[in-house]
Amino acid sequence: EAGVTQFPSHSVIEKGQTVTLRCDPISGHDNLYWYRRVMGKEIKFLLHFVKESKQDESGMPNNRFLAERTGGTYSTLKVQPAELEDSGVYFCASSAGPLPYEQYFGPGTRLTVT
Amino acid sequence: EDQVTQSPEALRLQEGESSSLNCSYTVSGLRGLFWYRQDPGKGPEFLFTLYSAGEEKEKERLKATLTKKESFLHITAPKPEDSATYLCAGIPSGSARQLTFGSGTQLTVLP
Repeated sequence: EAGVTQFPSHSVIEKGQTVTLRCDPISGHDNLYWYRRVMGKEIKFLLHFVKESKQDESGMPNNRFLAERTGGTYSTLKVQPAELEDSGVYFCASSAGPLPYEQYFGPGTRLTVT
Repeated sequence: EDQVTQSPEALRLQEGESSSLNCSYTVSGLRGLFWYRQDPGKGPEFLFTLYSAGEEKEKERLKATLTKKESFLHITAPKPEDSATYLCAGIPSGSARQLTFGSGTQLTVLP
């Protein structure tokens, strides 16, 4: 069974540019989560989808971040315009159900904003 | 505010030297706790879920236990391949749908 995949693995962009991250969850997992880890900090929740619906986006830092999950399959996270403080590693996770079902993480996308 | 604290931040062991990692939490009404292993450049790899005080789970050289206030990850006779960062994450009660992560313990096992 394929795990959670993320693309790209690494992105370097300039401040003010736009970047789109993609996550493909484990097949059949309706629940999809985005997390991020900024330098020196713990992993923090961003948002949670059930199929194509946003269930909880309380962790989204501001309106420069836009997440979508069209058709309830893969998800994208767009940052527009990117700021220096957006640098970090963005993880996607999926699960067969909501908490306390275990969440399986992808390898992450390392975003560097210069 | 929900908080998960892990200690120590870093731990160096000789191969075969058993030890324990600690995860304490102030997550209100904790419904459970996850343990993950993370290797450099990779995402967290699921290890265990513990749901109630007194529960224990084992996998190879790892054993996770849960009390009302903290969880321990015991590593018995570790090998160099056990070197990684170990993360714990609390599952809040109620309608919260998000994990609260600790900052991790970086374990190095020397041959």
